Amino acid sequence: QKEVEQNSGPLSVPEGAIASLNCTYSDRGSQSFFWYRQYSGKSPELIMFIYSNGDKEDGRFTAQLNKASQYVSLLIRDSQPSDSATYLCAVAPPGGGNKLTFGTGTQLKVEL
Amino acid sequence: DTEVTQTPKHLVMGMTNKKSLKCEQHMGHRAMYWYKQKAKKPPELMFVYSYEKLSINESVPSRFSPECPNSSLLNLHLHALQPEDSALYLCASSQGLAVRSYEQYFGPGTRLTVT
Repeated sequence: QKEVEQNSGPLSVPEGAIASLNCTYSDRGSQSFFWYRQYSGKSPELIMFIYSNGDKEDGRFTAQLNKASQYVSLLIRDSQPSDSATYLCAVAPPGGGNKLTFGTGTQLKVEL
Repeated sequence: DTEVTQTPKHLVMGMTNKKSLKCEQHMGHRAMYWYKQKAKKPPELMFVYSYEKLSINESVPSRFSPECPNSSLLNLHLHALQPEDSALYLCASSQGLAVRSYEQYFGPGTRLTVT
C-alpha cells in the first residue's frame, strides 16, 4: 500500500509568518508531486507541482523536494488569512500514470 | 486557461431517480477523471478516461456509469443511488500519458445529496 502522510493540523501561524507544510511518501520511485489548496466547501486547486530535487518557487509559494529522504514540503511566505485552507499533497506513481495518491491534508489557519 | 466546468453545482435526488453529472474542458487534455470526496477526506478516484477510453475503474458500484462522448466531455450517470453516495463529485483533467504524470486540474464539483 503506497502511502502519503501529512500532519492533519490544524497548523496555526500568525499573519506575515512563514507556514511550512510537510508530506512524506513511501514509494521511493515516485517522480511527480503536487500541492493542492482546498477551501472549505470548494474543490481542490493546484498551486504547485515539482518533479526534480530541490526548490521551486512561485510567488509566495516554494515547493521543496528531497527524494533521498522521501519528503516534499510547501512553504508559504508572508502568510495571509486568505491562505487559511486545507493543503493536500498528492504523489503520482513511478513511471507516470494517472492515479494520484493523496495525503489526508493539513489544515492551515493564519491568524490576525 | 485551466478551466474545467461541471454542471449542475448542486443536485438532490431520490434513491429511485436517474440523473447525470456533466464535465467539460477545453484545454486539449486527453485524460479526464471522476473523483468522489466526502467531508474532511481527500478525493477518492473513481474513473479515469485516457484518450476517450476507460482506463481505470476503481471497483465503483454499477449504479455509477461513466461516459466520455468526446475528448472534451465527461458524464457520470447515476441510478439507484444510496444515501451514503452523498458527496462532492469532482471532475478533473490532465494531459495524456507520458513518462511522467501530468498536473490534474479540478472542476468546481457537484454537491450531490441522495434522499
